[in-house]
Amino acid sequence: KQEVTQIPAALSVPEGENLVLNCSFTDSAIYNLQWFRQDPGKGLTSLLLIQSSQREQTSGRLNASLDKSSGRSTLYIAASQPGDSATYLCASPITQGGSEKLVFGKGTKLTVNP
Amino acid sequence: DTEVTQTPKHLVMGMTNKKSLKCEQHMGHRAMYWYKQKAKKPPELMFVYSYEKLSINESVPSRFSPECPNSSLLNLHLHALQPEDSALYLCASSHDNPSYNEQFFGPGTRLTVL
Repeated sequence: KQEVTQIPAALSVPEGENLVLNCSFTDSAIYNLQWFRQDPGKGLTSLLLIQSSQREQTSGRLNASLDKSSGRSTLYIAASQPGDSATYLCASPITQGGSEKLVFGKGTKLTVNP
Repeated sequence: DTEVTQTPKHLVMGMTNKKSLKCEQHMGHRAMYWYKQKAKKPPELMFVYSYEKLSINESVPSRFSPECPNSSLLNLHLHALQPEDSALYLCASSHDNPSYNEQFFGPGTRLTVL
């Protein structure tokens, strides 16, 4: 059974700081791992999807890594901005009934202070 | 176009009302999902449709009735809801392919049951 954990639950940093968000998973036989951002009361925005064969993915100031052997993924945010303040969720799919369902972590709420 | 649209944005209904939530995507995705999200919690999967057939029902009460009229549309029919059903309802879609299954979410419908 896949379990996904995100620590810490909340993080507050000053603007301009580089930061790392952590995601751990129990079953290393994953297809992929997806990072999302959610602003309060809004839907989820997909940030990065890392396939199981990949070690990292980059998009702008974001870099996500995947280490299946240790059951960990990290989301690195460079030069953080107040606009990065949001809840960040990681999720990994499991197969059920011939379809996939995402197993989510509980998220890390990031606050970037001006 | 990586957009999933949902209507309405907000819905207030009484416990005896019947209403429907709608979701649409034009990305050619063949898997569509309904999630329920309570405050400060990750999304909880409710239903998955794959190629217009219901493939996952996470033991959701029958007062929630999903429908997939075609590959672009997903509805959630609501009847005799309870106040505890108040939540953000999210729709998502993806390719039904384990090798590449990035999920894209809509903005959600904020449902309040009085």
